[in-house]
Amino acid sequence: AQSVSQHNHHVILSEAASLELGCNYSYGGTVNLFWYVQYPGQHLQLLLKYFSGDPLVKGIKGFEAEFIKSKFSFNLRKPSVQWSDTAEYFCARRNYGGSQGNLIFGKGTKLSVKP
Amino acid sequence: DSGVTQTPKHLITATGQRVTLRCSPRSGDLSVYWYQQSLDQGLQFLIQYYNGEERAKGNILERFSAQQFPDLHSELNLSSLELGDSALYFCASSLTSDYEQYFGPGTRLTVT
Repeated sequence: AQSVSQHNHHVILSEAASLELGCNYSYGGTVNLFWYVQYPGQHLQLLLKYFSGDPLVKGIKGFEAEFIKSKFSFNLRKPSVQWSDTAEYFCARRNYGGSQGNLIFGKGTKLSVKP
Repeated sequence: DSGVTQTPKHLITATGQRVTLRCSPRSGDLSVYWYQQSLDQGLQFLIQYYNGEERAKGNILERFSAQQFPDLHSELNLSSLELGDSALYFCASSLTSDYEQYFGPGTRLTVT
């Protein structure tokens, strides 16, 4: 079965620190990858996506992610975090099997940014 | 605002009861997905509809069912509710299965 794993359960950073959240996906099928963010009490918002092409993907709010096929990784990065980035971050891949298109999510990484 | 709407926002009910959650997809989107988010299971896919027809099933219990209507809104029916069904239920929509999904605000279900 396809899967996504996120390495860090909880990351605590100070404002202006650089961020990198790890994500690994399982081998197999077409690879469509996503990062979503969930602010406290809110719904999931799409940060960025990778379907094909340039492996360095830029998203909203200054986030970017790099698709490294050889490592089955899709890590999320931001050069300088702000207090407002405090949220939970989910990596996901699309499930390709038959006519399915649902997302398979990692367990999420909670980011706390100290002012 | 993603354009996906869900009602109600909160629902508190007793064990054994039945509830219906409603989702309206973004304008133009044909695919609707239902996900359950709980502390122990994380985000789990339940079921997908495309243009009125069931397309795929995930970890959906037999006590749960869903449908998508001609106007493309969808309803998730949860019956014989148990304490363990307490969770956030999200609806997402996309143009087709090949496009990104946009999530609604969710319905928080509490079973007492």
